[in-house]
Amino acid sequence: EVQLVESGGGLVQPGGSLRLSCVGSGFIFRSYEMNWVRQAPGKGLEWIAYISGSDNSIYYADSVKGRFTISRDNAKNSLFLQLNSLRADDTALYYCAREMGGSTTLDYWGQGTLVTVSS
Amino acid sequence: QSALTQPASVSGSPGQSITISCTGTSSDLGSYNLVSWYQQHPGRAPKLMFYEVSKRPSGVSSRFSASKSGNTASLTISGLRAEDEADYYCCSYGGSSNYVFGNGTRVTVL
Repeated sequence: EVQLVESGGGLVQPGGSLRLSCVGSGFIFRSYEMNWVRQAPGKGLEWIAYISGSDNSIYYADSVKGRFTISRDNAKNSLFLQLNSLRADDTALYYCAREMGGSTTLDYWGQGTLVTVSS
Repeated sequence: QSALTQPASVSGSPGQSITISCTGTSSDLGSYNLVSWYQQHPGRAPKLMFYEVSKRPSGVSSRFSASKSGNTASLTISGLRAEDEADYYCCSYGGSSNYVFGNGTRVTVL
């Protein structure tokens, strides 16, 4: 069974930093492209970052480019998101999502980890 | 890129059919047959309902169907049931390995 489990969220002050993690199981992690998607409270879904299986391709949404960094450690079946220069509008539930093999589709999602940016 | 446009809410009585529209542009939804739909119940992660416009993952009820024409995609729920009450999001590939989501539609079963 495919599982994705995020962690690392919490309360942080504006301008602060946080590192989110996502551990995958039930599939060959290194073979899959991975993404981060966030959802502000009561709002819709927003894609924010993509990384290829071998991490040689990385893309970001304009809203986080230059502040967030996506990375992965295939030996530990782990995906990461480093969040820097956090702002109040970064407050959201952050999901990691697997990209379906052979299709540009997010097929499995974790339960999310909540990041709250507030003083 | 701007979010895809969905109606904020759609409602129907049990047993009825409803359709949710999702409108994009020629740069995203109109350029790729890479439209997906997600169902999200309160407090839960999104669940994939359709991919590549109309492909249904195993386990998704055949009461759900999806299609696309031009810059607009649609999700239809037939034989509406109480458990279908949820938020639904469309999503399109937007090029350069990025995704564009719709703003979401709240489905209410009357």
